[in-house]
Amino acid sequence: DTGVSQNPRHKITKRGQNVTFRCDPISEHNRLYWYRQTLGQGPEFLTYFQNEAQLEKSRLLSDRFSAERPKGSFSTLEIQRTEQGDSAMYLCASSFGDRVNEKLFFGSGTQLSVL
Amino acid sequence: AQKITQTQPGMFVQEKEAVTLDCTYDTSDPSYGLFWYKQPSSGEMIFLIYQGSYDQQNATEGRYSLNFQKARKSANLVISASQLGDSAMYFCAMREGRFDGANNLFFGTGTRLTVIP
Repeated sequence: DTGVSQNPRHKITKRGQNVTFRCDPISEHNRLYWYRQTLGQGPEFLTYFQNEAQLEKSRLLSDRFSAERPKGSFSTLEIQRTEQGDSAMYLCASSFGDRVNEKLFFGSGTQLSVL
Repeated sequence: AQKITQTQPGMFVQEKEAVTLDCTYDTSDPSYGLFWYKQPSSGEMIFLIYQGSYDQQNATEGRYSLNFQKARKSANLVISASQLGDSAMYFCAMREGRFDGANNLFFGTGTRLTVIP
């Protein structure tokens, strides 16, 4: 399978616990994005990597959120001290090409439920 | 103001019929790109079709076509010969060219399409 892979598919956690999600992008894609999607909404941008450099972070990304992309390959998104408001689908996407017509290829997401 | 507006929360279509999903956008940037994504129940966002603001012809990809009306700022998705597997959420999105940053892809709230056998 050469698509974007995300693990786990589902995560249920108790409030206050830490969680970590993993994203494996398409191998030749140098750009990687994290988005968050809540019920009834479209995806909202969280953060962006070009190779291993994290170039942008949304204001939605509080200090409890951290993302890494060591060696410009896979990426992890960690949420510390989870809150019920963190419950959402977390989508990873990778891409190539020039910026305006850049096509994002998404994974199936990690559905987080914070109890 | 909303960058992307999808006014149809849900749509139904008979199998083998055509359906139009509406999308309007708001931008003052002359250079932009419009996208449609499909999100089945599995959660994955699947790229369907792209239209650039300077493209003279409407984009087509198989059974998908984009009815691009620049003056009206609309980018409706037309699905011909609907299939049961087309049942999903459909998101319209826009990227504005003036932003160099990554946070410039704006999604609408989506339309849930149900294909009736």
